[in-house]
Amino acid sequence: GQQLNQSPQSMFIQEGEDVSMNCTSSSIFNTWLWYKQDPGEGPVLLIALYKAGELTSNGRLTAQFGITRKDSFLNISASIPSDVGIYFCAGLDTSGTYKYIFGTGTRLKVLA
Amino acid sequence: DAGITQSPRHKVTETGTPVTLRCHQTENHRYMYWYRQDPGHGLRLIHYSYGVKDTDKGEVSDGYSVSRSKTEDFLLTLESATSSQTSVYFCAISESGRRSMNTEAFFGQGTRLTVV
Repeated sequence: GQQLNQSPQSMFIQEGEDVSMNCTSSSIFNTWLWYKQDPGEGPVLLIALYKAGELTSNGRLTAQFGITRKDSFLNISASIPSDVGIYFCAGLDTSGTYKYIFGTGTRLKVLA
Repeated sequence: DAGITQSPRHKVTETGTPVTLRCHQTENHRYMYWYRQDPGHGLRLIHYSYGVKDTDKGEVSDGYSVSRSKTEDFLLTLESATSSQTSVYFCAISESGRRSMNTEAFFGQGTRLTVV
C-alpha cells in the first residue's frame, strides 16, 4: 500500500543538538502533517503545512513543505530529553475521499 | 485535546472470537479513521468513514469490518480474531474537505489488542 519513506528510522543525539528528519513520497500531497507519539499515547499533531514551499515553526520545531510537494522536513533545535519519542510525517491524499498516509516513523532518543 | 474516546483501552481475546472496538467523538467531525500500529510499519489505514453509513477500505482491511450508524461513533469489528491482528489500534477524526480549510487529523489514545 501507499506509504511515505521517512528517514532516519532512528537516531541518538546529545541534549542540545539540532535534529533533522525528512519524509519523501512518490505522490504529490497538498497537506503535510508532522506528529509526535509518546510511549503508550496516541500521536499528537505538531505542525501542519498547506502550501508548497511553506516554512512553519512551532517553538523549537520548524517544518517545511517541499517545493515539489513530494517531500517535507522537520527540524528540532536544541533538543531536550522530553523530545524523546516517535515522529511521524503524514500526507493528505485528496485524490478520492480524504485519507492520511503515514510514514514509518523516526524514533528519537536524546542522551542527557 | 480533541474529544475522542476509544474503548476498551486494553483487551486480550482468544483466536477465533469476534471483537469490536469503539471510537466515540464529540467534535461532530465528518471523517473518522481506524489505523493499526505495528513495529516497523508505522500507522496503516484499515478503514475510514466520510459520513454516516459511508465507509471505505484502507490498505490493510482484510479481516476487519466497520460501521458508522451515527456521526459520533465508528466501530471496528474483527469477525474472527487472529494472532496477526495483535496490534495497537488508533482512531482518528478530521473535518477535512470543502467545508473546512483545516485538514488536520486528531488521534485517540489507542486500544492495545492481544489475540492469544
